[in-house]
Amino acid sequence: QLHLQESGPGLVKPLETLSLTCTVSGGSISGSTSNWVWLRQPPEKGLEWIGTVQYSGTTYYTSSLTSRVLISVDTSTNHFSLRLTSVTAADTAVYYCARHLQDFGADSWGQGTLVTVSS
Amino acid sequence: DIQMTQSPSTLSAFVGDRVTITCRASQSITSWLAWYQQQPGKAPKLLIYMASNLAIGVPSRFSGSGSGTEFTLTISSLQPDDFATYYCQHYHTPFWTFGQGTKVEVK
Repeated sequence: QLHLQESGPGLVKPLETLSLTCTVSGGSISGSTSNWVWLRQPPEKGLEWIGTVQYSGTTYYTSSLTSRVLISVDTSTNHFSLRLTSVTAADTAVYYCARHLQDFGADSWGQGTLVTVSS
Repeated sequence: DIQMTQSPSTLSAFVGDRVTITCRASQSITSWLAWYQQQPGKAPKLLIYMASNLAIGVPSRFSGSGSGTEFTLTISSLQPDDFATYYCQHYHTPFWTFGQGTKVEVK
């Protein structure tokens, strides 16, 4: 069974860079039917898609974050990563990684990790 | 970007009630729609994919319908575990968007 786990700092200072890693176990990150997704959810708010990376490295980002976000995949270590630069308090959220299985939507999710932006 | 609009934002119901949540897309997404359930403090769980297909392990009291721009999620007989927040999401393009969510609460 596929398992995803987010890891990274829980506290980031304003204007610094948020970096998270999602480790995938129980399956290969290299499959052509799977894309890998980052999402977030600010406290007491709804879900926001941040971006998607294909195993080939092709990426798609939400328009509101495209100038600050980078998602990458490392097939050799079976993980994918999120970098968000110049963070502000508005970037405080629970960050989730997930798998987009072709035709299915996001069928497997990590448990989520809370990242707080504060000095 | 394709906008997804859910209604209602909050729904109060009793155990055993039939519940329907609506999701509208700002343009046709054919059947590229998923529904998720989120319990407080937990990651979302996939319920329905391709508008009407039940994900593995999801009880049959959940069903989805619709195509194009209008979609519904129905719970035929609400159970205690079903009090949660529900989100629709399109994947018609690689640029996903979610509805704002519908909280199903105890009446």
